[in-house]
Amino acid sequence: AQSVAQPEDQVNVAEGNPLTVKCTYSVSGNPYLFWYVQYPNRGLQFLLKYITGDNLVKGSYGFEAEFNKSQTSFHLKKPSALVSDSALYFCAVRDRENTPLVFGKGTRLSVIA
Amino acid sequence: GAGVSQSPSNKVTEKGKDVELRCDPISGHTALYWYRQRLGQGLEFLIYFQGNSAPDKSGLPSDRFSAERTGESVSTLTIQRTQQEDSAVYLCASSLDFRSYEQYFGPGTRLTVT
Repeated sequence: AQSVAQPEDQVNVAEGNPLTVKCTYSVSGNPYLFWYVQYPNRGLQFLLKYITGDNLVKGSYGFEAEFNKSQTSFHLKKPSALVSDSALYFCAVRDRENTPLVFGKGTRLSVIA
Repeated sequence: GAGVSQSPSNKVTEKGKDVELRCDPISGHTALYWYRQRLGQGLEFLIYFQGNSAPDKSGLPSDRFSAERTGESVSTLTIQRTQQEDSAVYLCASSLDFRSYEQYFGPGTRLTVT
C-alpha cells in the first residue's frame, strides 16, 4: 500500500530565509509525487509534480521539490520565503496511474515578517 | 474558465438528519473525487468516479455514506443519519480522467453536525 508522511505539523521561517517542508513516501512501484497548497478558506491548489525525469522539479510561486529515490523523499523548497507563502502544504503520492492520490496530514507553514 | 464548485459552502445539521453535498466538476473532466478533511487532519479519500461509474467505494467510512454521479457531471455525496464525527470539510476534485496527474479542487463544504 502506498503512504506518505509529513513529519512536521508546523514549520516557522523568517521572511527571506529558505524554507523546506519535508515529505517521505512509501510505494510498491515507481512513485508519482505531488505537492498541493491550501490557503485559508480556499480549496487545494496544485503546486508541482514529479512523474519521471529530472529529480529537481520546479513549480508555481517559486517552489521546487527534489525527488530522492534512495531516501524516498520529496521535500518542498523555496530559496526565499514570503509572508504570503503561509499556508497548509500537502504532499501526495500514487504508485500507478489508476490508483487514487494518498495525501499526507499536511504541514502548516508560517512565514514571519 | 470555471473551476470546481461545491454547494453549500457551509452546512449545519442536527445529529440524525440526512445531508446532501453537491459538486460541479470542471466541464469535460471525466474523473471526480471526494475527500474528507477533519480538523487538523490530512485528506481522507472517500470515493472516485470515472464517468458515472465508481470502481472503488472502499474509502467510504460507513454504509451511511453514498455518492452518485449522473451525466458525467454533477455528483452528490449523501450522508444519512449524520453523526457528530461526520463533521468535517468535504472536498471535491476533478481531473481530465483518472490517469491525469493533476486534480483540481473545489473550495469544499464545511459540515457541522450538532
